[in-house]
Amino acid sequence: EDQVTQSPEALRLQEGESSSLNCSYTVSGLRGLFWYRQDPGKGPEFLFTLYSAGEEKEKERLKATLTKKESFLHITAPKPEDSATYLCAGIYGGSQGNLIFGKGTKLSVKP
Amino acid sequence: KAGVTQTPRYLIKTRGQQVTLSCSPISGHRSVSWYQQTPGQGLQFLFEYFSETQRNKGNFPGRFSGRQFSNSRSEMNVSTLELGDSALYLCASTSGSGETQYFGPGTRLLVL
Repeated sequence: EDQVTQSPEALRLQEGESSSLNCSYTVSGLRGLFWYRQDPGKGPEFLFTLYSAGEEKEKERLKATLTKKESFLHITAPKPEDSATYLCAGIYGGSQGNLIFGKGTKLSVKP
Repeated sequence: KAGVTQTPRYLIKTRGQQVTLSCSPISGHRSVSWYQQTPGQGLQFLFEYFSETQRNKGNFPGRFSGRQFSNSRSEMNVSTLELGDSALYLCASTSGSGETQYFGPGTRLLVL
């Protein structure tokens, strides 16, 4: 069974304290990986798509990287508004419409 | 460009009833996927529709069904509701290139 596992489950940072979130996945059959941000009571907000090992994408304070067996979401100098749950999802199967999600990392950034 | 819209946003039903949820994808997107989100299980894939055809199906009982119309709007139906069906139901539309999948705000269903 295809699996996506995120760690840690929760992360508390001080404003400006950089860190990384981890997403590990079943390698066989993975076609790509999505990262999302989700605020309470809202739908996930798309952040990045990664397809190949070595690929990196950046957006403001966030940088996503992909290796052969895991992905990282690096947060540089976070601000309180970066507080949210970050989800990664593996693309398996024959279409992009079927994603397998990790349980997420709940990030809290204190001022 | 308008985002993914879902209606209704909130719904309260009782056990045994049925419910229909609606999703309008981003204009031009032909793929619509449905997910169930609960605190315990997280986000789980229900099914995907593309050009009015079900393309993928997750591991949910037959009480959960869906359809897609020619304008790409989609509906999902849950019959004989159970308490465990209480969840946030999310719809997502996928761009033609498959590079991005955008989610709607969700419909929060409470089954009493």
